[in-house]
Amino acid sequence: NAGVTQTPKFRVLKTGQSMTLLCAQDMNHEYMYWYRQDPGMGLRLIHYSVGEGTTAKGEVPDGYNVSRLKKQNFLLGLESAAPSQTSVYFCASNYRGALGAYNEQFFGPGTRLTVL
Amino acid sequence: GESVGLHLPTLSVQEGDNSIINCAYSNSASDYFIWYKQESGKGPQFIIDIRSNMDKRQGQRVTVLLNKTVKHLSLQIAATQPGDSAVYFCAEKHNNAGNMLTFGGGTRLMVKP
Repeated sequence: NAGVTQTPKFRVLKTGQSMTLLCAQDMNHEYMYWYRQDPGMGLRLIHYSVGEGTTAKGEVPDGYNVSRLKKQNFLLGLESAAPSQTSVYFCASNYRGALGAYNEQFFGPGTRLTVL
Repeated sequence: GESVGLHLPTLSVQEGDNSIINCAYSNSASDYFIWYKQESGKGPQFIIDIRSNMDKRQGQRVTVLLNKTVKHLSLQIAATQPGDSAVYFCAEKHNNAGNMLTFGGGTRLMVKP
């Protein structure tokens, strides 16, 4: 199993450009997440999905859109990139499990995005 | 790898000593608390979790303690090794659908040989 993979690994954008980050998982997980991590801070949740065709906002959703057309993929889009979106982006996934239980989130290796 | 946490609090320990990393959480309604380890250039990796109705849980070389009275969580690493050098994050799970986590700011652990 490859686990959680992310593409690309690095990207540099100019202000106003758009791009899509791709996350893929081969563990048949129901739940998927997108986080951003800035220097000196922990991860902050952008958007998440509890199943194919469903998405929901996290803590910092503004400026991002997501789509979950297939269970194994979760796309994060930036329609008009801003320097404030310079960050490292992590995708994660986990099994749904029983209500109230905790199921370990598995993280991808991250995408470093710089917006000039 | 990327610079994760340029201004993180840092704990420096000698190889073989025990390490204690602390975390304060905010939400009394969280039902699980989790510790993650993040090495430079990699995504976070699960270490151990503890349910909110417990006050201690042990794993291999790690122990997590939960004090709900003061909303405090700690991770103890026994016989710290150079491979333990990383940034450690605590996270709290929201008691709702989606398994959402809120992460703390992280602590950098440096192990001196």
